[in-house]
Amino acid sequence: SQQGEEDPQALSIQEGENATMNCSYKTSINNLQWYRQNSGRGLVHLILIRSNEREKHSGRLRVTLDTSKKSSSLLITASRAADTASYFCATVPSGNTPLVFGKGTRLSVIA
Amino acid sequence: EPEVTQTPSHQVTQMGQEVILRCVPISNHLYFYWYRQILGQKVEFLVSFYNNEISEKSEIFDDQFSVERPDGSNFTLKIRSTKLEDSAMYFCASTLNHEQFFGPGTRLTVL
Repeated sequence: SQQGEEDPQALSIQEGENATMNCSYKTSINNLQWYRQNSGRGLVHLILIRSNEREKHSGRLRVTLDTSKKSSSLLITASRAADTASYFCATVPSGNTPLVFGKGTRLSVIA
Repeated sequence: EPEVTQTPSHQVTQMGQEVILRCVPISNHLYFYWYRQILGQKVEFLVSFYNNEISEKSEIFDDQFSVERPDGSNFTLKIRSTKLEDSAMYFCASTLNHEQFFGPGTRLTVL
């Protein structure tokens, strides 16, 4: 089954605006992680939120988790052109089991 | 800050040839993973490794693939006889406590 499906698939905003990306998943999780990937490059870990947490902040990033709805959102505030990248959510069913990635949201921030 | 490293960054090979992709995980990490990402698609799990043995593998990880931790630092992925469809980015990751740290990836091109 598919886990970690992000929406929208693509998002284009002006610099300074906020960007919100959503992720839905199907099975229970231990934690959910968000990653960023610049075109053709590696995966950069952004934030991890555990199943017993509802919200987490890191700099301009805010992640929420609603386990009853099996969904998470990533908010990037005051976006910059350098935030242009693909953003993936990845779920961890339990312990150190492998990450299950979604297809990602391609964010374009226009200066 | 410790990081996962991978070599080579780009490997070009002929169909049917063997390739070995190398990774050096973060030194105190215990779990190691290989993922791949075909161009434009999502990141897919291949195999996880713990305590010197495979702990989990996906359907993609067939008999053409093998992993090894030949010494205390390296973690390798071998593809015995490459196919065109093996062309992808291959990411190594390691973890101590759930948060997986990814290497920059090896881009494998099979001609």
